[in-house]
Amino acid sequence: KNQVEQSPQSLIILEGKNCTLQCNYTVSPFSNLRWYKQDTGRGPVSLTIMTFSENTKSNGRYTATLDADTKQSSLHITASQLSDSASYICVVKNQAGTALIFGKGTTLSVSS
Amino acid sequence: GAGVSQSPSNKVTEKGKDVELRCDPISGHTALYWYRQSLGQGLEFLIYFQGNSAPDKSGLPSDRFSAERTGGSVSTLTIQRTQQEDSAVYLCASSLLGTSGGTGELFFGEGSRLTVL
Repeated sequence: KNQVEQSPQSLIILEGKNCTLQCNYTVSPFSNLRWYKQDTGRGPVSLTIMTFSENTKSNGRYTATLDADTKQSSLHITASQLSDSASYICVVKNQAGTALIFGKGTTLSVSS
Repeated sequence: GAGVSQSPSNKVTEKGKDVELRCDPISGHTALYWYRQSLGQGLEFLIYFQGNSAPDKSGLPSDRFSAERTGGSVSTLTIQRTQQEDSAVYLCASSLLGTSGGTGELFFGEGSRLTVL
């Protein structure tokens, strides 16, 4: 069964600290993996899209890694800011169809 | 438009009433998706439109749900005889390419929050 599991479910960190969010998937055959940021009450916004051949991709203070062999991805946030407080959603597409499989997200709270 | 536009942003209705939610995708985007997001849950796929192809309706939870896309642009999601369990945020997204055609980055609207009393 195609699944995307994210951990932790929620996380609280102090402003300025780094953090890493995890995403494990069982989707096969794999096509690409996406990370989205969703602010409260807003729609998700794309952070990165990674294909099979990409191991790492950065977008400002956000760096995503992908290990297609172990079917794991991580999103690392450097020098966190209060505005990073949001839900971070991992999404995986398989090659077999049009479906995108969404994780339930990790809720990050950055406090001062 | 500059982004995906959804209306209404909030809708409160009584159980048993019909509701219509509207999505205006980014101009030129051929693919359009509807998702449902319940509190504390991940996004649940509802329906996918790609160009002139028959829509993928595999995610619609019951026959009370339907959607259409007129002229390859604006889409309307209709929920008939609403139930309390229909309460959720309904998100629309569009992409230049369908997810079958490359990365197909999705651009989401802000959502329509439906509350069924």
